[in-house]
Amino acid sequence: SQKIEQNSEALNIQEGKTATLTCNYTNYSPAYLQWYRQDPGRGPVFLLLIRENEKEKRKERLKVTFDTTLKQSLFHITASQPADSATYLCALLSMDTGRRALTFGSGTRLQVQP
Amino acid sequence: GAGVSQTPSNKVTEKGKYVELRCDPISGHTALYWYRQSLGQGPEFLIYFQGTGAADDSGLPNDRFFAVRPEGSVSTLKIQRTERGDSAVYLCASSSAAQETQYFGPGTRLLVL
Repeated sequence: SQKIEQNSEALNIQEGKTATLTCNYTNYSPAYLQWYRQDPGRGPVFLLLIRENEKEKRKERLKVTFDTTLKQSLFHITASQPADSATYLCALLSMDTGRRALTFGSGTRLQVQP
Repeated sequence: GAGVSQTPSNKVTEKGKYVELRCDPISGHTALYWYRQSLGQGPEFLIYFQGTGAADDSGLPNDRFFAVRPEGSVSTLKIQRTERGDSAVYLCASSSAAQETQYFGPGTRLLVL
C-alpha cells in the first residue's frame, strides 16, 4: 500500500542548532514533494517544493533534499529559532495516482528551546 | 492581497443535521481543493475543482458529502446527516492553473455532538 511516513514523535532541539526532519514514502512515484509549516489552529503554509529530478533546494535557512532511490526527503532548518517551533508536513504529488491533489504525511512537531 | 478565507471558523452541530462550509479562494485561482484534517494527522484530500467542475471527487468518504463551485470562485462543502466521525478541521486550498503551490485557508473546525 502507499504510505508517507514522518516521525510522529516531536523533535526537541536547542536554539541555534540544525533541525532535520525526515519524510519517507513507499509505492509512490512523486512528480514533486513539498514541505509545509502548520501552526496550531492555522492552515498549512507552503515552504519549499522539490522536483523528482532535483537533489537539493534551498531557501534562506531552509534546505530540502530528495532521494528518489531511498524514497526519502530531508528537511533542514539551520540556526533554528524558537519561532521555528511548529508542525512540519511533507506532501507529494504522484502522477501514478492520476490525482492533482497532494497526499500529506502526518507531520512532525518541532520544538526549538531557547 | 487577501488569502483564502473560510467561514465559519467554528461550527458545532448535532448528529443528523446538515451543514455547509464555505471557501473563498484567492482571486483568479482556478483550482480549488477541500481537505479534512483530524487531530494529529495531515490533511486528507476530499475533492478538487478546476473551474466550475469537480475534476476529482475520489476523496469524498460517502454520498453524504457534496461540494459545489457554481461560478468557478466560491465553493461550498455540504455534509448531510452529520455523524460524530465527521468532526474534524475542513481545509480549503487554492492554486493558479500554472502553479503547484497550494494556498490554504485557516480551516473550519466542525464538531458534531
